[in-house]
Amino acid sequence: QSALTQPASVSGSPGQSITISCTGTSSDVGRYNYVSWYQQQPGKAPKLMIYDVSDRPAGVSNRFSGSKSGNAASLTISGLQAEDEADYYCNSYTSSNNYVFGTGTKVTVL
Amino acid sequence: QVQLQESGPGLVKPSETLSLTCTVSGDSISSGYWSWIRQPPGKGLEWIGYIYYTGSTNYNPSLKSRVTISVDTSKNQFSLKLNSVTAADTAVYYCARGAGWYGFWGQGTLVTVSS
Repeated sequence: QSALTQPASVSGSPGQSITISCTGTSSDVGRYNYVSWYQQQPGKAPKLMIYDVSDRPAGVSNRFSGSKSGNAASLTISGLQAEDEADYYCNSYTSSNNYVFGTGTKVTVL
Repeated sequence: QVQLQESGPGLVKPSETLSLTCTVSGDSISSGYWSWIRQPPGKGLEWIGYIYYTGSTNYNPSLKSRVTISVDTSKNQFSLKLNSVTAADTAVYYCARGAGWYGFWGQGTLVTVSS
């Protein structure tokens, strides 16, 4: 199974909105609403930000939102803050009954 | 508060078996699914597999021939064994709660494969 495709890096200024894409196929992202997103700060374990495409766990800021269109999912961060600088990974269920992560995106706050 | 803690050797020789245990506190292993995920230094996340508390498992096809995940409900622990390791298996290994989305993670443990 191939990793889902994410841009290597995305940047934005404080207060701006950015969107990270996660492109899969009709056998994973396009078929199931089981996409999740994780934020990973340097040297730390990943943190769940979004699950089931667009649901937010308790305690996660509403500045983070998820969506999906066709074979691509997206994570949008609005009102970008310095603390949002991190690596972000998507994850999807696949028709082979397993799971695959995205390649990861480094978010830089300018 | 759910907490997970990985434990096991930090150094494994090539061709030998990597063994890690995840101890869960603040939740019962019998509550559901538990997973292992790894991250090679400077690289992305890779799903290894999960186990349901009943013992049912599901593994990454690329690792399936070498991986075994087991559960010990009496100790509230689950474990990972990866045999015939090579340098490519050097990574931070995380245990996590869930299958598909992971709400709680261990801090991770670095396992280096080297002679």
